[in-house]
Amino acid sequence: QGQLVQSGDEVKKPGASVRVSCKATGYIFTYYSITWVRQAPGQGLQWMGWVSTSNGRTHYAQNFQGRVTMTTDTSTDTAYMTLGSLSFDDTANYYCARVGGDEGMDVWGQGTTVTVSS
Amino acid sequence: SYELTQPPSVSVSPGQTAWITCSSDMLSRQFTYWYQQKPGQAPVILIYKDTERPSGTPERFSASSSGTMVTLTITGVQAEDEADYYCQSGDSSGNWVFGGGTKLTVL
Repeated sequence: QGQLVQSGDEVKKPGASVRVSCKATGYIFTYYSITWVRQAPGQGLQWMGWVSTSNGRTHYAQNFQGRVTMTTDTSTDTAYMTLGSLSFDDTANYYCARVGGDEGMDVWGQGTTVTVSS
Repeated sequence: SYELTQPPSVSVSPGQTAWITCSSDMLSRQFTYWYQQKPGQAPVILIYKDTERPSGTPERFSASSSGTMVTLTITGVQAEDEADYYCQSGDSSGNWVFGGGTKLTVL
């Protein structure tokens, strides 16, 4: 079925960058893309973008273009999301999710809380 | 930009039917998906490709579409269905979007 395990919670200062990892197990990593979704405290889900694990192609939401980078490492079956120029508004829970064709986001990581605090 | 509109909240008594709508301001759209999120947990997919249920989704969950509106129906609501529900779709440019979410309260 597959599982995604994310890295631990982070506390960052404004202006810094954060990298969140998402390790896949139990399925063939390159058969599915990885997408990233965040959720600010008490708010809804916000799509950030996706990365193809087979060729590294990316597509970012307009709101994040220029300060988000999504990559994958097929040697370790791990996806990464780096968000730069952090502001207080970036405090949120960040999720990775597996996407297979038209099947939607069918496997989710447990979430990584990123807190931006001075 | 592409937006999906959901009612902020829906309340229903146990055993009754709940309808959660998701409307789009675009006539053409890609498939719609539905996710359930309980407090402190990651979302879980309920419906994919407009109306399909993954193997783990109970049969009481179904979805339908009509024009620019899609509807998630929960027939015979149970207390455990109390959660936030999100619709999700995309546009022709490869951008994906979530609706604002609907909090289902089981009275």
